[in-house]
Amino acid sequence: SAVISQKPSRDICQRGTSLTIQCQVDSQVTMMFWYRQQPGQSLTLIATANQGSEATYESGFVIDKFPISRPNLTFSTLTVSNMSPEDSSIYLCSVNGQGGYGYTFGSGTRLTVV
Amino acid sequence: AQSVTQPDIHITVSEGASLELRCNYSYGATPYLFWYVQSPGQGLQLLLKYFSGDTLVQGIKGFEAEFKRSQSSFNLRKPSVHWSDAAEYFCAVGPLAPNAGKSTFGDGTTLTVKP
Repeated sequence: SAVISQKPSRDICQRGTSLTIQCQVDSQVTMMFWYRQQPGQSLTLIATANQGSEATYESGFVIDKFPISRPNLTFSTLTVSNMSPEDSSIYLCSVNGQGGYGYTFGSGTRLTVV
Repeated sequence: AQSVTQPDIHITVSEGASLELRCNYSYGATPYLFWYVQSPGQGLQLLLKYFSGDTLVQGIKGFEAEFKRSQSSFNLRKPSVHWSDAAEYFCAVGPLAPNAGKSTFGDGTTLTVKP
């Protein structure tokens, strides 16, 4: 299955600033997924990123707050904009797993907004 | 709509004891079901998956899960727990077809292993 490198692994940011998270996959993939995991909670899908088209956002998430880029089949970025303490979460990049089923996840970015 | 329920928020077992983590799903057809493990500070790792066929599936790290359609369950088991199994476990349903998109995750069960 694919290997995903995600960075940064963690960051502490000031409110009102933005952070861009990078996700690099070692093979070409059609879809990349961005999840948020708030403290003590399960995973919530933010958006699906397809190469060559705009990302598809889930209900409750908007492009202005979470802009996503997908310049090629192995790379994507998620920006968390105008951050507030409520954005403190783990952000996870993922791709479909072997055979297209399930997911392979990056190691996550632990974001703390102060 | 598909949904997943993990009734146990936190489970504590002694090292060497057996383990069963519960998962119930709601979906109109035969689901694709998954168990993931998240160690502290890490992303999620796929333990095992069920699509069809044999209802008892084997996964990595000595885990297995049994699909029971009549009970809408997909419980995770391990006969003898090791201290390194302490982690958060997530049950998930979907994607509904290969490369078809998102999964729905349960809220997770935190496993603590006592020496």
